[in-house]
Amino acid sequence: DQQVKQNSPSLSVQEGRISILNCDYTNSMFDYFLWYKKYPAEGPTFLISISSIKDKNEDGRFTVFLNKSAKHLSLHSVPSQPGDSAVYFCAASAAQGGNTGKLIFGQGTTLQVKP
Amino acid sequence: DTGVSQDPRHKITKRGQNVTFRCDPISEHNRLYWYRQTLGQGPEFLTYFQNEAQLEKSRLLSDRFSAERPKGSFSTLEIQRTEQGDSAMYLCASSLSPNSPLHFGNGTRLTVT
Repeated sequence: DQQVKQNSPSLSVQEGRISILNCDYTNSMFDYFLWYKKYPAEGPTFLISISSIKDKNEDGRFTVFLNKSAKHLSLHSVPSQPGDSAVYFCAASAAQGGNTGKLIFGQGTTLQVKP
Repeated sequence: DTGVSQDPRHKITKRGQNVTFRCDPISEHNRLYWYRQTLGQGPEFLTYFQNEAQLEKSRLLSDRFSAERPKGSFSTLEIQRTEQGDSAMYLCASSLSPNSPLHFGNGTRLTVT
């Protein structure tokens, strides 16, 4: 039962262009969503989050969009940089339960930014 | 802020042996989490502590697994009678409050032969 799905295992974009990573979820109780970035041999690093009361959140080059009716979120980054090449994980939690740390992760999408 | 520290980084053990991992969270972070990640998958929640109290355990955490956080500082995760299926990356994370993002360590990679 994969409650958080990232259907694209990999994505390749040209440096300077926009990269869009997608994530779908099935549990309507999820109300807090995060994106993490992971480099090889390192732990995941928090990138950006969004609460279900919003449909958009921006932080520098990164914007997360949430479509609750479609149970879909996406991460946009522009302009893409070679240092963005990493595995990106989407994660969700039911924060109303009082524990936003119990995250359900997707399988990850490997982003390659080509110079 | 020195980040979340995990030790060892790698552990190779034979099936049936016991192993113990240590996690030092960011100081003053009262919440500490253990996750497990296998190849091609995202991290999976195992358990978490608020201070020294273990508040939730996943059904993934069989009775061979035990976690402690004495004095609410560092935590240990012990696996008894290891099995090949235990081979994974074990990640520790900490957070300052329920509504703040998790900060992950670099993990302990366990290989059971």
